[in-house]
Order: sequence, then C-alpha cells, then structure tokens
Amino acid sequence: TQLLEQSPQFLSIQEGENLTVYCNSSSVFSSLQWYRQEPGEGPVLLVTVVTGGEVKKLKRLTFQFGDARKDSSLHITAAQPGDTGLYLCAGGGRSGYALNFGKGTSLLVTP
Amino acid sequence: KAGVTQTPRYLIKTRGQQVTLSCSPISGHRSVSWYQQTPGQGLQFLFEYFSETQRNKGNFPGRFSGRQFSNSRSEMNVSTLELGDSALYLCASSFSPSGQETQYFGPGTRLLVL
Repeated sequence: TQLLEQSPQFLSIQEGENLTVYCNSSSVFSSLQWYRQEPGEGPVLLVTVVTGGEVKKLKRLTFQFGDARKDSSLHITAAQPGDTGLYLCAGGGRSGYALNFGKGTSLLVTP
Repeated sequence: KAGVTQTPRYLIKTRGQQVTLSCSPISGHRSVSWYQQTPGQGLQFLFEYFSETQRNKGNFPGRFSGRQFSNSRSEMNVSTLELGDSALYLCASSFSPSGQETQYFGPGTRLLVL
C-alpha cells in the first residue's frame, strides 16, 4: 500500500493570506491528483500532475509535483472564504487504477 | 450531462443488518469505483467495476461486496453491519479504467450504524 501523508491536518487562516499544504510519500507515483471536498459533497478534481517537477496553475492555486514524483504541494495565494474545504491528494500506482488518498488538509478561511 | 448520483443520501441501520447502496454513473462512463470515507482513516478504496467485472479490490472484509449491471449502474452491499461501518460511502465514475482517467465523484451516502 502506498501511503500519502498530508500536512498540516488543519489550517485556519484569514482572507487574503497565503498558504501551502503538502502531500508526501515514500513511494513513487505515476500521477498525483488534488481534490477539494466541501461538506455534504464528494471530492472534485482540481488538477492532475504527471511529470516530475511539473508546476500547474489554476487561478490562485499553484500545484507542484516533486522531481522524484514522491511528493506534491498546493499553494493558495490570497485565500478567500470560498477556498474553505478539505483538500485531498491522491496517487495512482503503476499496477492498478485504484487511487490512494491522503487523509486531507481541512482548510478554513475566515472573512 | 447529469453527474454521478447516489441513493439513498442518508441511511440509519442497526448492528447486524445489511444495507445496499446504489450508484448511477455519468452517462457513457463504464467504470465505477467505491470508496469509504471516515474521519480516522480518510478515503479508502473498496472496489472498482468495469463492464460488469470487478477489476480491483481494496483491503476490506468479505462483508463488503458489489456488482455492476449492464447499464453501468452499480450497487454495493454490506452485510452484518458493525458500528465501525458508519461512514460516508462515495462512488466515482470514469469513462475507462485508466490510471490517469479523471474520476467524478457522487455526493455520497452517509451511513450511520447504531
């Protein structure tokens, strides 16, 4: 089983602040995905990174895949209350389709 | 295009009972995966079906089973419910079982076992 560790587990910040959350593993992943889950809903895919060192930007969100494809980070610039949610990373192994999820970072952005 | 739908949304059962949850994938999607989400363990993979065949199975006891129908709709069944089975059960669909295929999640069924 490939384990994904996410940190921090909880994060409470004020609107306008910047933040970074991390997703780390001792295993190599062929791809890594970031999801956001809001209360009462299922996770929604934000981005997929597949190449070591890859950086993807989605408006105020910047995703980076580590060179060795073992870790990833999500940076949010000027956080807004709408960014509140559970951020999950998930890795897909080479041998199968099943996604391995981290336990997530619960983010609260207050006005 | 309608999203993934799951029924029921909420369910309360008692220990020892069994439960069946239903998932309708996005039209045209043939792969359906099931996950269990709990505060302590996070999201854990249960099983995946493609074209009515189970392709992958997670590390769950045999009390957890599933099936997929010819129209790609899927059901999962949990027999002899235990308190620890209380969780949010999520279904996700994709067009094909590719490692990089985008999965679309439903809103989940929240199961409470008393």
